[in-house]
Amino acid sequence: QSALTQPASVSGSPGQSITISCTGTSSDVGAYYFVSWYQQHPGKAPKLMIYEVSNRPSGVPNRFSGSKSGNTASLTISGLQAEDEADYYCSSYTRSSTLVFGGGTKLTVL
Amino acid sequence: QVQLVESGGDLVKPGGSLRLSCAASGFTFSDYYMTWIRQAPGKGLEWISYISTGGSTLYYADSVKGRFTISRDNAKNSLFLQMNSLRAEDAAVYYCARGNWNDVRLLDYWGQGTLVTVSS
Repeated sequence: QSALTQPASVSGSPGQSITISCTGTSSDVGAYYFVSWYQQHPGKAPKLMIYEVSNRPSGVPNRFSGSKSGNTASLTISGLQAEDEADYYCSSYTRSSTLVFGGGTKLTVL
Repeated sequence: QVQLVESGGDLVKPGGSLRLSCAASGFTFSDYYMTWIRQAPGKGLEWISYISTGGSTLYYADSVKGRFTISRDNAKNSLFLQMNSLRAEDAAVYYCARGNWNDVRLLDYWGQGTLVTVSS
């Protein structure tokens, strides 16, 4: 049950686009289209932003999008806004019927 | 609206036990898989355990297997986590979260968390 690999930090200026990668294995990210992304502001609970690789729950801005290629999933945020500054976590359902998270990425909006 | 409220977090000595609860409201609790996730101070999210709708299917992370037990009471809309043989590394905020009808591929609602401190 090794954690998925995410960059520790990314940054971008308002209006720009950023992409956060999430690399796993053929037993998790590569196995199914069951990758989710969560946003967490300091002191708050995580919030679901993307599920099943590329689907957005109701209320999540369409500036947030997801994709997957092989064992790597990606979250792209376009038109960065100040309120997007947060920690982002990917997760994947696994072939072992367990759940695994990435180590988290701190997004800084410059 | 959907609400999940955790309780039971406390300061406990190494080797001690604690039982966490998660009270659910605003949805048909028995229709959803439920899970526990934890976050150590300054660290990332770690999946701990999940339970199926009827409670017959249980999964645990290796880090807690044999020490933690997840359960639910659908009549009382409640989820539980019995934690035994607690270690310093179990100190974290513990969140309960809602899965879907068949698994935990997505967690669409989370509680605010309850803090567990393990220290002598």
